[in-house]
Amino acid sequence: DTGVSQDPRHKITKRGQNVTFRCDPISEHNRLYWYRQTLGQGPEFLTYFQNEAQLEKSRLLSDRFSAERPKGSFSTLEIQRTEQGDSAMYLCASSEAMGYGYTFGSGTRLTVV
Amino acid sequence: GNSVTQMEGPVTLSEEAFLTINCTYTATGYPSLFWYVQYPGEGLQLLLKATKADDKGSNKGFEATYRKETTSFHLEKGSVQVSDSAVYFCALILYSGAGSYQLTFGKGTKLSVIP
Repeated sequence: DTGVSQDPRHKITKRGQNVTFRCDPISEHNRLYWYRQTLGQGPEFLTYFQNEAQLEKSRLLSDRFSAERPKGSFSTLEIQRTEQGDSAMYLCASSEAMGYGYTFGSGTRLTVV
Repeated sequence: GNSVTQMEGPVTLSEEAFLTINCTYTATGYPSLFWYVQYPGEGLQLLLKATKADDKGSNKGFEATYRKETTSFHLEKGSVQVSDSAVYFCALILYSGAGSYQLTFGKGTKLSVIP
């Protein structure tokens, strides 16, 4: 297993465009998390999946954001009508069912111009 | 709510100097505590953790002790190397009550070690 993979590593988009990021967790981990990290800040929780069910969403996740995890495997995070304030590093992490030990991916850095 | 406060950087040290990065927390429950490290352009790597009071986490020469009475988890290393240059994040984890264990991070402290 190569850990948590995220794609793409970098994305530059024009304001108003839609973007989608992908996360492939560690295969035996059924918990998946998305966090957002803005410049000079620590990561902040966005949303949580247990298998395919999205069980929690932060108030940071506006209605322009949507996340899915079909079949409880990989996950996607889509941002519609991007704004400059969406520029950040988007981090995905997964963990085992009975533990809370996270493994983070390398992140997707989004720049909205 | 839950929060983590860590000393602001940047911190610049000479190689082989002693490192301390202070971290304090407030939490509504009994959290586990972590230090993560982030190298330029990379995601987060777990450096060490402690799950209960008086536990000492250690890894790669770094240490931190869970002090419940002072709600602190200060990171220390006796002799830093150039390769330790990175951003260090203190974090706590608590069960959210809705199925997840959410990490709450401090703002990070950038460490630069010069030869």
